[in-house]
Amino acid sequence: GENVEQHPSTLSVQEGDSAVIKCTYSDSASNYFPWYKQELGKRPQLIIDIRSNVGEKKDQRIAVTLNKTAKHFSLHITETQPEDSAVYFCAAMSNAGNMLTFGGGTRLMVKP
Amino acid sequence: GAGVSQSPRYKVAKRGQDVALRCDPISGHVSLFWYQQALGQGPEFLTYFQNEAQLDKSGLPSDRFFAERPEGSVSTLKIQRTQQEDSAVYLCASSLVHTGGLHFGNGTRLTVT
Repeated sequence: GENVEQHPSTLSVQEGDSAVIKCTYSDSASNYFPWYKQELGKRPQLIIDIRSNVGEKKDQRIAVTLNKTAKHFSLHITETQPEDSAVYFCAAMSNAGNMLTFGGGTRLMVKP
Repeated sequence: GAGVSQSPRYKVAKRGQDVALRCDPISGHVSLFWYQQALGQGPEFLTYFQNEAQLDKSGLPSDRFFAERPEGSVSTLKIQRTQQEDSAVYLCASSLVHTGGLHFGNGTRLTVT
């Protein structure tokens, strides 16, 4: 089955700096890669996603890049703000679409 | 519009009790997923429905876990003879198509004492 590894497990940045979270996946058949933000005690919320037919996608301060050959994808947050503080999860879904496998999460702390 | 709704929000059960967790997906969403999230970890897949058909239950940890979605809408996750290791947040998610983005509910936090 699919295995998703996520690094780092914790990340502390100063407000205004950039943050980068990296994930690798094992199943070359995976073709959909969403990122979720989860605040304490709340539901995971989809913040951005990318499909395997593109290499990069951007939405305001958030961008995701995908390298299919190397089987890794990354989340980039620019101009971080304290409200960006949360746990971020990457995930990968196979072509069958029947299972989304999550990484272990990254706790991002943005210091004002 | 209404999102994915789960009930109860919190459940405390004594070891050995049976529990039933409910999920109301977004109206019209074909796919429904159940995940288990332990404290400080990522969600772990339990089972997947497409309409009323349970297409994948490979993540259910034991035969004490059972899920159903009889009319292709509301789903129930049942755990029989609960054990302490069942304590976790149980998340339900739905999507419009089987390869689309998942929308999660707030989860049910189960504590087994």
